Amino acid sequence: GQQLNQSPQSMFIQEGEDVSMNCTSSSIFNTWLWYKQDPGEGPVLLIALYKAGELTSNGRLTAQFGITRKDSFLNISASIPSDVGIYFCAGTPRGSARQLTFGSGTQLTVLP
Amino acid sequence: EAGVAQSPRYKIIEKRQSVAFWCNPISGHATLYWYQQILGQGPKLLIQFQNNGVVDDSQLPKDRFSAERLKGVDSTLKIQPAKLEDSAVYLCASSLSGGSAGELFFGEGSRLTVL
Repeated sequence: GQQLNQSPQSMFIQEGEDVSMNCTSSSIFNTWLWYKQDPGEGPVLLIALYKAGELTSNGRLTAQFGITRKDSFLNISASIPSDVGIYFCAGTPRGSARQLTFGSGTQLTVLP
Repeated sequence: EAGVAQSPRYKIIEKRQSVAFWCNPISGHATLYWYQQILGQGPKLLIQFQNNGVVDDSQLPKDRFSAERLKGVDSTLKIQPAKLEDSAVYLCASSLSGGSAGELFFGEGSRLTVL
């Protein structure tokens, strides 16, 4: 299947700091999405992006669909303790519109 | 609106035993997915159903894994016989048939430990 390279693997930040994480692929994706997973729960959709160059916000979260269609980033501003969790990028490759592929995740820890 | 329901939440079995997981998707969601999530990794698609038909099962280890969605609603995922490397969380998800690609709603998962 398609591979998504997500970085960083983990992050430790102070409460109030901004966070940035990204995801890259060697092939073109038609859709980029960002999910968050809390311990013992299933992933929950945060932001979905459908067009190259698209920049979308959801509260303190902002995500962009890269112009090359091979990358995406997620920014979290003014982090709070409840931002702790694992963030996954996901995408649907060109030619496989319904097959959602996930990255390996970024574990975010917010220190008080 | 009720979310995706899965059971059991936890299961411990010995290798070579069998196990079955059940999923009830969100009402009206025609598409149902089973994902396998190994500790420290992202979810990996095992099988995707559209109503009661299989859309994609290319990553399902068919020698030991099987899944069905007979009436186009509930689904069951079975592993027989289980191997140590099958220890993982099995996530069920559903989406609207005509919904935007990738917008999945996940259940809480069924955690399998194979000893």
